[in-house]
Amino acid sequence: AQSVSQHNHHVILSEAASLELGCNYSYGGTVNLFWYVQYPGQHLQLLLKYFSGDPLVKGIKGFEAEFIKSKFSFNLRKPSVQWSDTAEYFCAVNDNQGGKLIFGQGTELSVKP
Amino acid sequence: NAGVTQTPKFQVLKTGQSMTLQCAQDMNHEYMSWYRQDPGMGLRLIHYSVGAGITDQGEVPNGYNVSRSTTEDFPLRLLSAAPSQTSVYFCASSQMDRGGTEAFFGQGTRLTVV
Repeated sequence: AQSVSQHNHHVILSEAASLELGCNYSYGGTVNLFWYVQYPGQHLQLLLKYFSGDPLVKGIKGFEAEFIKSKFSFNLRKPSVQWSDTAEYFCAVNDNQGGKLIFGQGTELSVKP
Repeated sequence: NAGVTQTPKFQVLKTGQSMTLQCAQDMNHEYMSWYRQDPGMGLRLIHYSVGAGITDQGEVPNGYNVSRSTTEDFPLRLLSAAPSQTSVYFCASSQMDRGGTEAFFGQGTRLTVV
């Protein structure tokens, strides 16, 4: 069965600090990878996705993620965070049949002004 | 664009009561699913459907029932509510595509069982 692990449960940063959130998955086949963000009191929104091609993908709001197949990882990065990035971040995976998404536990990011 | 619409947004139930959470999408997506979100546990899949008339269990199906009579609607029924079902529920839809597609989420239903 697929599983997704996010190593950081709560990250606290000051504005302008760099961010890296870890995500590892377990699945032996071809996968599609996603990062979703949930701002306080809101629903999940897609930050970025990887289906195939360039393993470095860029998303909205300056976020990017790198797919490293040999490490089964899909870490999220941002060079300089802002207070408005305060949210919960979820890594997710599905197989190439589409549909069923498996989520990690989530990482709560707090950015101090 | 309506996308995925969930109702109600908030609900308080007494233990033992039943209710239905509604979910509708207007994107003609084949795949629909229900998740519950609990602190520190991410989103866990309750039930999903790959098309009208086809449903299957996810990770945490006990105490919930679903049906899919149309492409647009995928209601979630709580048969006899328990305090352990206090959670935030999200409905999602996506296309079935080997190339990979993103899921679109509803606004969520915050359910409290007392």
